[in-house]
Amino acid sequence: GEDVEQSLFLSVREGDSSVINCTYTDSSSTYLYWYKQEPGAGLQLLTYIFSNMDMKQDQRLTVLLNKKDKHLSLRIADTQTGDSAIYFCAEGTGGYQKVTFGTGTKLQVIP
Amino acid sequence: GAGVSQSPSNKVTEKGKDVELRCDPISGHTALYWYRQRLGQGLEFLIYFQGNSAPDKSGLPSDRFSAERTGESVSTLTIQRTQQEDSAVYLCASSRVGEQFFGPGTRLTVL
Repeated sequence: GEDVEQSLFLSVREGDSSVINCTYTDSSSTYLYWYKQEPGAGLQLLTYIFSNMDMKQDQRLTVLLNKKDKHLSLRIADTQTGDSAIYFCAEGTGGYQKVTFGTGTKLQVIP
Repeated sequence: GAGVSQSPSNKVTEKGKDVELRCDPISGHTALYWYRQRLGQGLEFLIYFQGNSAPDKSGLPSDRFSAERTGESVSTLTIQRTQQEDSAVYLCASSRVGEQFFGPGTRLTVL
């Protein structure tokens, strides 16, 4: 079955860039997602990328996709303390197929 | 309602009792997911409903766990003979295609 893996924890200093990595196994994945869960809050979609794209940029966020290696990353520029959260990678094949989540990466931003 | 709702928000129960958790998805969303999130940990997939198809129960940890969904509406997750390791936040999400919308979760504490 599908598998999505992430490292569990990342610590960065405020103002530095953060890079959160994710690998997946399903070669038919069409959509790759990043969700954010702030402390005490629910999960919300942060951004997503189609599998026919290599990169997507949205303000401080950059998503890179290496489809050959099935590797997805989320880069947060100028990381702020408000970026401290758990970030979840997810993949899906679109339509009515199940979306599979990684276990999440906890980002700690040190002031 | 505008979003996914779950009830109760908190449930404290004694070991060995049965509990029932409820999820009201967004109207029109054919897909519904249940996840478990233990304190400080990532998402653990439990079960997935898609329309009238047979549910994907591959994530249910034991036969004490079961879930039902009536058509494309309410879902209930039942845990029989609860154990202390069942203590977690149980999250429900619904989607039409692609993005999942998460409910606020039910925090279950088994004493």
